[in-house]
Amino acid sequence: DGGITQSPKYLFRKEGQNVTLSCEQNLNHDAMYWYRQDPGQGLRLIYYSQIVNDFQKGDIAEGYSVSREKKESFPLTVTSAQKNPTAFYLCASSIDGRGLTYGYTFGSGTRLTVV
Amino acid sequence: KNEVEQSPQNLTAQEGEFITINCSYSVGISALHWLQQHPGGGIVSLFMLSSGKKKHGRLIATINIQEKHSSLHITASHPRDSAVYICAVRSRFGNEKLTFGTGTRLTIIP
Repeated sequence: DGGITQSPKYLFRKEGQNVTLSCEQNLNHDAMYWYRQDPGQGLRLIYYSQIVNDFQKGDIAEGYSVSREKKESFPLTVTSAQKNPTAFYLCASSIDGRGLTYGYTFGSGTRLTVV
Repeated sequence: KNEVEQSPQNLTAQEGEFITINCSYSVGISALHWLQQHPGGGIVSLFMLSSGKKKHGRLIATINIQEKHSSLHITASHPRDSAVYICAVRSRFGNEKLTFGTGTRLTIIP
């Protein structure tokens, strides 16, 4: 079955360390997205990519970095510059960059805790 | 004021009750999405609407573009419907990104 795989489900890191969250999709979708979810807030867009080797900053990109070397993979690195990295991170994809035709597919998320 | 407002924030009901969750938005949109988030965190897309009404099983979603309002209804609710329901809108302008509501936590008691 096609879908999005995020790993790991839970991740613990010490303050000051960079950490990379994995997102892989086998849906042949062009566009991929990273969102952050905090308690009491709606999902906020960190980065998105509409095509391989191209990506754009979302609303809260500071302290994060991404790459899109392959169509199926869109890893997110949480750097030590991110002041409040503890959060739930969701990856999503859509068939095109506008999500108009078939909507979005979401992963199961990674809960990152920085201690 | 948030661009997307959901009500209620929390809803507890008995099994079998008819459920309504509301979403109001303040921007011109090209589409509205209803999403379901289970306790584990994963999100499932339920509906994508640009007008009218859609039905899938016991779920019905409606949208009134003029009033900038959408509702999600659940008929014959069941404990497995317990989840957070999230409304998200795609702006008609700019880069057409999604803006999310904060969600409605639904608990169905057997």
